[in-house]
Amino acid sequence: QVQLQQWGAGLLKASETLSLTCAVYGGSFSGYYWSWIRQPPGKGLESIGDINHRGSTNYNPSLESRVTISLDMSKNQFSLNLSSVTAADTGVYYCARYPDSGYYYGMDVWGQGTTVAVSS
Amino acid sequence: SYVLTQPPSVSVAPGQTAMITCGGDNIGSKSVHWYQLKPGQAPVLVVYDDSDRPSGIPERFSGSNSGNTATLTISRVEAGDEADYFCQVWDTHSNHWVFGGGTKLTVL
Repeated sequence: QVQLQQWGAGLLKASETLSLTCAVYGGSFSGYYWSWIRQPPGKGLESIGDINHRGSTNYNPSLESRVTISLDMSKNQFSLNLSSVTAADTGVYYCARYPDSGYYYGMDVWGQGTTVAVSS
Repeated sequence: SYVLTQPPSVSVAPGQTAMITCGGDNIGSKSVHWYQLKPGQAPVLVVYDDSDRPSGIPERFSGSNSGNTATLTISRVEAGDEADYFCQVWDTHSNHWVFGGGTKLTVL
């Protein structure tokens, strides 16, 4: 049973960089894309971007200029960096996975979520 | 960017059937996934590829997709089904996942 465990700083000041890490337990990176999704307070889910085991990435165009997603296969971890944060980046951040064989499968495993608050 | 439209809320009595819609331009040509999100918990995939159920999801959850509307149907609704539900598709033009705005299901 694959599990994702995520962590990172929960309180940031405006203009700082948000950094989160997600560890993969019970499975390997191969065959999947590894994603970051967020939910601002009172709003819906928003895709941030993802990466596969070959290092191929997809980013939400609205965030692409500030986002970097990377992976460390030696540690079975992948990370999110979001630069120049503002209050609009406040929310719950999730990591998740989906098969890299296509978009016919959803995100079947999710991390527990990390609450991030940005103060001005 | 591709836009998915969901009703903000749906209410249903226990034992009845809830239908949650997700509208999008020619969404019938896309593969739609549905997630259940309860407060303080991670999202749970309840339907993928329009109408398939992951292991462990009750048969009460089903989906359909045609034309400009995809639908999540929950039969014999239980109090434990009360949650927010989100639809999701892959936007082939901008190469990223798009979610609907979410629908809050209230069990009366």
